[in-house]
Order: sequence, then structure tokens, then C-alpha cells
Amino acid sequence: NAGVTQTPKFRILKIGQSMTLQCTQDMNHNYMYWYRQDPGMGLKLIYYSVGAGITDKGEVPNGYNVSRSTTEDFPLRLELAAPSQTSVYFCASSPARGQPQHFGDGTRLSIL
Amino acid sequence: GQQLNQSPQSMFIQEGEDVSMNCTSSSIFNTWLWYKQDPGEGPVLLIALYKAGELTSNGRLTAQFGITRKDSFLNISASIPSDVGIYFCAGQTNYGGSQGNLIFGKGTKLSVKP
Repeated sequence: NAGVTQTPKFRILKIGQSMTLQCTQDMNHNYMYWYRQDPGMGLKLIYYSVGAGITDKGEVPNGYNVSRSTTEDFPLRLELAAPSQTSVYFCASSPARGQPQHFGDGTRLSIL
Repeated sequence: GQQLNQSPQSMFIQEGEDVSMNCTSSSIFNTWLWYKQDPGEGPVLLIALYKAGELTSNGRLTAQFGITRKDSFLNISASIPSDVGIYFCAGQTNYGGSQGNLIFGKGTKLSVKP
């Protein structure tokens, strides 16, 4: 059972570089989410999507972009990487609003 | 924005001990969730609570949705070494700007007593 799959698991970027964090789920969930987790903190919502073609900002969207062209995929893009974006990024999905979210194993991103 | 206060921040356990942690908020939530995160992995759902006053068990874990809808607790009975990790509470509302989204506490880190 794959569930939510994130790639890559680790990445080091230089300041100003761009990259896309991939997330795919095979549970046919409509809702998908991107969070960042900083040391000693809970998860902060970056962006979410309620279905293909629909995305919305979360609590900390600045510096990020998302797209949702299919139900399965929800990539997160960093256009101009900054040291403040060093974090662990988690993707999650849920079948509907208010239902428990299922998480991937995260992408550990360092920007130097 | 809405915030959850989770306590304690960290605690040390000895095998066999009971463990208790809780989350409080100034806002009302419609759903409370408890997750566990092991090193290098994503959070895994332990218990979901949907009604005020609800008490739900999952093996040695028991969680309750507070009557006021502003708090929840998680108890672990007879702890074992594999219980170590970080436990997160999360609340979800049906109103306001964060409608339907989860708000996470900062976590309770369980470690083994040296």
C-alpha cells in the first residue's frame, strides 16, 4: 500500500535555485495538503487543494507555489530558494474536509 | 490565528509507566486528532475524535474530546520502548478562515529515562 509518496527524500539547494517537491497519492483522495515542519514546532500549512484544478493558500504560503492538474499529484514549487525555507516538508491527503489526513514520509530540504 | 497549547513539551518514560499529555485551545474545535511521528517519518494517525465528551481507545492508547470542545488528552498505559517519539494533537474547525484545515500543536516528545 503506497499511500502518500514524496520525492525526493533529501535535497540540498543553493540560495536562489528553484526546485519542485513531488507528492502523489493512490487513495483517490480529493483533498491534499503541504506542510512544513521546523525544529520544535508543529506543522504549518503552506497550501492545500480540495480537488483537481483548485488550490488555496494556507498559513505560510509566501515563497511557494502549487498546482493540482490531477487528483493524484500535488507538486510544491520553490522558485527562489532562501535559507528560511530550510525545513522538512510533508504532503498529506484526506478523502474529504474534516477527515483524518494521511502523511507522506517527508522531504528534508536544506538551503545553503 | 488559532493556536493549540500542547503539554508537556517533553517527558521521559520508564517502561511500564502510564503517560498523559494534553492540548488546550481558546477556540472551539469540531474534531481532535492525535498523531505519532517517529524519526525520519511522517505523522501517523493514532486516534480521531468527533464528538464532545467522546472517549476512544486504540490498544493501550486512550483519548478524550473535552466537553467544552477546547481541549483533548491522550493517555498511554503501561508504556513500552517503542512508544518513544513525538506526539502531536491537531484540531479542526468548521468555521472561519481555516475552516476544515488542521491546526497542530507543537508536539510532546517522549524519550526513555536514562
